Amino acid sequence: EVLLVQSGAEVNEPGKSLKISCEASGYTFNNYWIAWVRQMPGKGPEWMGSIFPGDVDTRYSPSFQGQVTFSVDKSLNTAYLHLNNLKVSATATYYCARRGINGLANWGQGTLVTVSS
Amino acid sequence: DIQMTQSPSTLSTSIGDRVTITCRASQSISKWLAWYQQKPGTAPKLLIYEASKLDSGVPSRFSGSGSGTEFTLTISSLQPDDFATYYCQQYNGYTPEYSFGQGTKLEIK
Repeated sequence: EVLLVQSGAEVNEPGKSLKISCEASGYTFNNYWIAWVRQMPGKGPEWMGSIFPGDVDTRYSPSFQGQVTFSVDKSLNTAYLHLNNLKVSATATYYCARRGINGLANWGQGTLVTVSS
Repeated sequence: DIQMTQSPSTLSTSIGDRVTITCRASQSISKWLAWYQQKPGTAPKLLIYEASKLDSGVPSRFSGSGSGTEFTLTISSLQPDDFATYYCQQYNGYTPEYSFGQGTKLEIK
């Protein structure tokens, strides 16, 4: 069974940085793109970008380029989303999702990030 | 960027109704369209991919059609579990890039 398990909720102050993890199991981690998706409160999902663990090929949505970075630790089968210089507007739920032949069929449970002073 | 536009934004419906949601792409995306269902506090769930293929375990009352720039999601007979928000998503079959529609919320009439 494919599982993506994300790190827990975070509360942080503006200007700080944080890292969200997405641990994969049940498949060969290196062989599938991982997408990161933001969902602001009451809004629809937004694709932030994708990373291919095998060769760390990374694609960023123009809307998020320069604001976030992605990384992987292949030894831990884990992908990471780095959020830097947090703004209050970064308050959202962040999801990782695995790209299969049928699209984004497997999702993490989501990580709620609250940015507040 | 390809823009996805869904209509309606909200739909008041009743159990047993036939429901149709429309999604339009700003340029042709061939068959590369997926539909997701999302309930509050949970991740989106894939229902349909490649415009008309039902994902594993999805009830047959869900169906998708369309190609190019216009697509529809149909629920043939609405069940209590179907009250949720539905999103379309374009995905390029060859690159890992996506964009979502703004969503359609099904409400109880």
